[in-house]
Amino acid sequence: ILNVEQSPQSLHVQEGDSTNFTCSFPSSNFYALHWYRWETAKSPEALFVMTLNGDEKKKGRISATLNTKEGYSYLYIKGSQPEDSATYLCAGGAGTASKLTFGTGTRLQVTL
Amino acid sequence: DTEVTQTPKHLVMGMTNKKSLKCEQHMGHRAMYWYKQKAKKPPELMFVYSYEKLSINESVPSRFSPECPNSSLLNLHLHALQPEDSALYLCASSQVASNEQFFGPGTRLTVL
Repeated sequence: ILNVEQSPQSLHVQEGDSTNFTCSFPSSNFYALHWYRWETAKSPEALFVMTLNGDEKKKGRISATLNTKEGYSYLYIKGSQPEDSATYLCAGGAGTASKLTFGTGTRLQVTL
Repeated sequence: DTEVTQTPKHLVMGMTNKKSLKCEQHMGHRAMYWYKQKAKKPPELMFVYSYEKLSINESVPSRFSPECPNSSLLNLHLHALQPEDSALYLCASSQVASNEQFFGPGTRLTVL
C-alpha cells in the first residue's frame, strides 16, 4: 500500500514570500509522483509528473524536485502571489491507468 | 478540448432514491476513473475503466454501480445510499499508457 504524506497541513504567507512544501512516500515500489493544484470549486490542475530520481521540473514560479531513494518530493513557489492560494496535492502513482494515492494536501493562503 | 466535465455539480438525494452522476471527456482518453473525497480527507479511488472495461474496483459497495457506455462517457449509478456516502465525487481520465490523470470539478453529493 502506498502511503503518501504531506506537510505542512496549511501555510499562510505574505505576497512575495517564497515557500515550499514536502511530500513523502515509501521509496520501495515507486512508479511516479504527481503534484496537483486545487482551487475551491474547480478541477484539480496537474502541475508535474515525475518519475526519475533527481527529476526537477519547473512551471513559471513553481518548481518541484524528486528523491526516490529517500522517498520525498519538494514543491517550491517563488514570490508567492494571492492567485497561488489553493490546496496543493501530491499523489503516488502505481502504474499506468492505475490508482493515484493522494496525500491530504497543503492548503496555501497568500495574503497582500 | 482538454476538459473533463461532470454533471450535476450538486446533488441531494434520499436514501431510497436512484440517481446517476455523469462524466464526459473528449480528449481521446481510454482510461477513466471515479474517486470519492470526504471532507478533509484525500481523494480515494473507487473504480478504473480501461478501454471501456472495468479494470479496478476498490471493494466499493454494490450500491455504487459504474458504467462506461462509450470511450467518452463514464456514469456512476447510485441506489440506496447512506448518509455516510455524502462526499465529493471526482471523475478523471488519462491515456491508458500514461499515469497523468485529468480531473473534473466533481459532483457534491448529499444523502439525506
